[in-house]
Amino acid sequence: NAGVMQNPRHLVRRRGQEARLRCSPMKGHSHVYWYRQLPEEGLKFMVYLQKENIIDESGMPKERFSAEFPKEGPSILRIQQVVRGDSAAYFCASSRGYNEQFFGPGTRLTVL
Amino acid sequence: AQKITQTQPGMFVQEKEAVTLDCTYDTSDPSYGLFWYKQPSSGEMIFLIYQGSYDQQNATEGRYSLNFQKARKSANLVISASQLGDSAMYFCAMREDSLSGANSKLTFGKGITLSVRP
Repeated sequence: NAGVMQNPRHLVRRRGQEARLRCSPMKGHSHVYWYRQLPEEGLKFMVYLQKENIIDESGMPKERFSAEFPKEGPSILRIQQVVRGDSAAYFCASSRGYNEQFFGPGTRLTVL
Repeated sequence: AQKITQTQPGMFVQEKEAVTLDCTYDTSDPSYGLFWYKQPSSGEMIFLIYQGSYDQQNATEGRYSLNFQKARKSANLVISASQLGDSAMYFCAMREDSLSGANSKLTFGKGITLSVRP
């Protein structure tokens, strides 16, 4: 029973490039959450999606960041024109709804 | 005000002893859930234990138990019989179950570092 899958595990981008982070939820889970962890900090909520719908994006920066969870395929967190401040660990979690969220291994983004 | 407060800067415990990691929370929502996650040096987030605000008994999961004191708004994690593999960061988190039912994001504290000494 595979857990939450995230890829890539490590991603290096130069300033101004685009970063695409992928998340495949656990089997049977239709709720996906993205969190960001800056060094020495706890996780900060970014966005909550269900299939084809954004439910809560209150934690998403207003510009350059977008997320989707299509009917088929993984959830994608997209960061356009990355800056050094975007360097962080990005975690995806999935759940069945009102249950515990299971986290993926994270994607470590480094912006040069 | 911070919703989740973890103020212990770093904790040390001798192997096989018990340790308590503190967490206090702030919410006006009558229905909420409290979670603890472990993050070892490898970086993944591992779910440990969950406590619902209406649960009558404290949650337990193996060596983990949650000392839930609702009136004091505290949800301390107790790890019994510490093992070397327990060395990690530990995060307390809260989910506020708003009236809309859609607000199920987690709010995390800053975490506590636990080091288990042999």
